[in-house]
Amino acid sequence: EAQVTQNPRYLITVTGKKLTVTCSQNMNHEYMSWYRQDPGLGLRQIYYSMNVEVTDKGDVPEGYKVSRKEKRNFPLILESPSPNQTSLYFCASTEGRRGRTGELFFGEGSRLTVL
Amino acid sequence: QKEVEQNSGPLSVPEGAIASLNCTYSDRGSQSFFWYRQYSGKSPELIMSIYSNGDKEDGRFTAQLNKASQYVSLLIRDSQPSDSATYLCAAMDSNYQLIWGAGTKLIIKP
Repeated sequence: EAQVTQNPRYLITVTGKKLTVTCSQNMNHEYMSWYRQDPGLGLRQIYYSMNVEVTDKGDVPEGYKVSRKEKRNFPLILESPSPNQTSLYFCASTEGRRGRTGELFFGEGSRLTVL
Repeated sequence: QKEVEQNSGPLSVPEGAIASLNCTYSDRGSQSFFWYRQYSGKSPELIMSIYSNGDKEDGRFTAQLNKASQYVSLLIRDSQPSDSATYLCAAMDSNYQLIWGAGTKLIIKP
């Protein structure tokens, strides 16, 4: 089954404790992206990757890191989480052809709470 | 600042009627447009993409694009309670980046 898998789905952590949210897709997609979704603010892009070893900042990259060492994986790293990073996070992927990067497959989401 | 605007709703429509969802965008360079459906607590799911002026139909869904007016709409015919969700509009700008609207909450009343 074609899917984007995120882990963990739910996490409560404390300020400053490093955490990683994993994302893996099994569709051989070139393009992967991380979003956060907050009430009233909609989806905001954190980072995206057009291919292996190629990553770029989105609209709200501060406080986050990513890496793309393999095509299927795109982990999101919070080096020192703060309460304003409490949010619902989505990983998404697509084939990556120009003009088609809007046809995204989303993971189920990871709800993160930072105390 | 590139923007995509949607009425947040909620938009309440009787079962069986046509639901009409609207979206306007500010970047004239946008060429591709997308409608996603998001059930409460779930992830967004692509339901329609439209790349040229006019109408595009897929089952009960019709997307309409008017680039001159910078306007995109989604029509849902024969609305069902299962169509109750938040509908997100997104436009791809000239740098191939998606600009998202905040979504319209649709409620289909039995």
